[in-house]
Amino acid sequence: GENVEQHPSTLSVQEGDSAVIKCTYSDSASNYFPWYKQELGKGPQLIIDIRSNVGEKKDQRIAVTLNKTAKHFSLHITETQPEDSAVYFCAAEAGGFKTIFGAGTRLFVKA
Amino acid sequence: SAVISQKPSRDICQRGTSLTIQCQVDSQVTMMFWYRQQPGQSLTLIATANQGSEATYESGFVIDKFPISRPNLTFSTLTVSNMSPEDSSIYLCSVAPASGRGQETQYFGPGTRLLVL
Repeated sequence: GENVEQHPSTLSVQEGDSAVIKCTYSDSASNYFPWYKQELGKGPQLIIDIRSNVGEKKDQRIAVTLNKTAKHFSLHITETQPEDSAVYFCAAEAGGFKTIFGAGTRLFVKA
Repeated sequence: SAVISQKPSRDICQRGTSLTIQCQVDSQVTMMFWYRQQPGQSLTLIATANQGSEATYESGFVIDKFPISRPNLTFSTLTVSNMSPEDSSIYLCSVAPASGRGQETQYFGPGTRLLVL
């Protein structure tokens, strides 16, 4: 079955710097890769997603890249702000409408 | 997207008791799911709630412990039965409004924070 690994587990950046979170997946049949942001006391919120027919997708300060050959995908946040501090989860669809989540990255943005 | 609400938002329960969590969606959705998120951990799928039929449980989760109902396309309940402190977690409801491979976008409710003493 699908397995998703996520790195780093914790990331601390200065406000204004960029943050990069990387994930790998195991099932070459996976075609859909969402990213979620979870703030303290809240449920995960979808922030961006990418499908396998696209190599990169951008939404304002957030971008996601996908390398299907290497089974890697990454989240890039530019010009980080304190409100970007949260836990970020990558995920991969595993067929049968199931989604497998990475372990999460706790991002701290220092003002 | 979909607007999802969960009740209760949090609860403190005694071991041996049961708690039923409700999930309400503002529109009809094909797929509904229940996840568990233990403190500081990732999300683990408990089961898929199927409308009009028995839920589909993941390995390690059984119906006797986590009975699920889904009477219609906008509502589901998860019961955590005969609770122990190990059941202390956040329980999350999610929905996938569209069906079909490549349409698996899931949206999550706010979660129910359960503490078992």
